[in-house]
Amino acid sequence: QVQLQESGPGLVKPSQTLSLTCTVSGGSISSGSYFWSWIRQPAGKGLEWIGRIYSSGITNYNPSLKSRVTISVDTSKNQFSLNLSSVTAADTAVYYCAREYDSWGQGTLVTVSS
Amino acid sequence: QTVVTQEPSLTVSPGGTVTLTCASSTGAVTSGYYPNWFQQKPGQAPTTLIYSTSNKHSWTPARFSGSLLGGKAALTLSGVQPEDEADYYCLLYHGGAWVFGGGTKLTVL
Repeated sequence: QVQLQESGPGLVKPSQTLSLTCTVSGGSISSGSYFWSWIRQPAGKGLEWIGRIYSSGITNYNPSLKSRVTISVDTSKNQFSLNLSSVTAADTAVYYCAREYDSWGQGTLVTVSS
Repeated sequence: QTVVTQEPSLTVSPGGTVTLTCASSTGAVTSGYYPNWFQQKPGQAPTTLIYSTSNKHSWTPARFSGSLLGGKAALTLSGVQPEDEADYYCLLYHGGAWVFGGGTKLTVL
């Protein structure tokens, strides 16, 4: 089973871009037929699927976030990344990366505040 | 906007059996929705219990099973243990996008 670790700023200002990276270890991001996903969870609320990427670069996004989300992959670094633009306080959440869907990162809290 | 609906809360006695369900606003849930089920305990990341309707991971306890029931995806816990108290989420595939259910808070009492 692979291990995933999210990293990035824990505090982002409103209207700016939230950027997170997920580093995969214990296996290659290019091997197997896996999609790599981002999921988030506001405090005390449920899970929300953000989007996913295949190692070839194919992406799918949550329609409600699609205009603000970009997910990319760097196979040379065994990483994939999330960019969420024009953030507001509503984007404050724990952000998880996952290999669809047997392995999850521990999650990272991102707070949107000035 | 697709909505996936779960029971907000359920209570079960230790040793009992409980079924959680997962419905889609688009209609009956079939295997083509590839239902996944996750367990989440406070302060922890979710763990995957069931994928593609009824398949278990190596770490999934035998008392958990997945199925389709009356047009919904279902997760059944048989012989419930105190440590099964947690939030449970289903996830359905809708043509290129995944949608989580709102989650079921399972209380073992």
